[in-house]
Amino acid sequence: GENVEQHPSTLSVQEGDSAVIKCTYSDSASNYFPWYKQELGKGPQLIIDIRSNVGEKKDQRIAVTLNKTAKHFSLHITETQPEDSAVYFCAASGGGSYIPTFGRGTSLIVHP
Amino acid sequence: EPEVTQTPSHQVTQMGQEVILRCVPISNHLYFYWYRQILGQKVEFLVSFYNNEISEKSEIFDDQFSVERPDGSNFTLKIRSTKLEDSAMYFCASIVTGGETQYFGPGTRLLVL
Repeated sequence: GENVEQHPSTLSVQEGDSAVIKCTYSDSASNYFPWYKQELGKGPQLIIDIRSNVGEKKDQRIAVTLNKTAKHFSLHITETQPEDSAVYFCAASGGGSYIPTFGRGTSLIVHP
Repeated sequence: EPEVTQTPSHQVTQMGQEVILRCVPISNHLYFYWYRQILGQKVEFLVSFYNNEISEKSEIFDDQFSVERPDGSNFTLKIRSTKLEDSAMYFCASIVTGGETQYFGPGTRLLVL
């Protein structure tokens, strides 16, 4: 089955800095890669996703890149704000299954 | 904006007791999922449900677990005889037919004593 590795487990940045979270996946059949933000006491909420036919996608301060050859994808947050503080999960799915396999999560702390 | 809702938000139970966790998926969604998240760990898939039957299930979803859609709106997860290790956050999610994006509910925090 699919295995998703996510790094770092904790990321601490100053407000205004950029943050990058990286994930790798093992199943070359995976073709859908969502990123979720989970605030304390809440369920994961989709913030951006990318499909395997695209190398990069951007939505305001958030961007995701995908390297299919290397089987890794990354989340980039620019101009971080304290409200960006949360746990971020990457996930991968595809190959006939809509069940995403999640990474272990990255706790992002943005210091004002 | 429509959202997935879950009740209760918290549940404390004694080991060996049965619990039922409830979810109301987004109204036009037809695929439903249950996940669990043990404190500090990754979100783990339990089961998916479509057309009134289980589509996929993980090795975690053993005979102690069952799911049901008792009416047109609710989707439930039953744990027949809870164990200490069932303590976790349980999330319901749904997707629209033909979609890939899963919409998660706020979760039910289950504590088994």
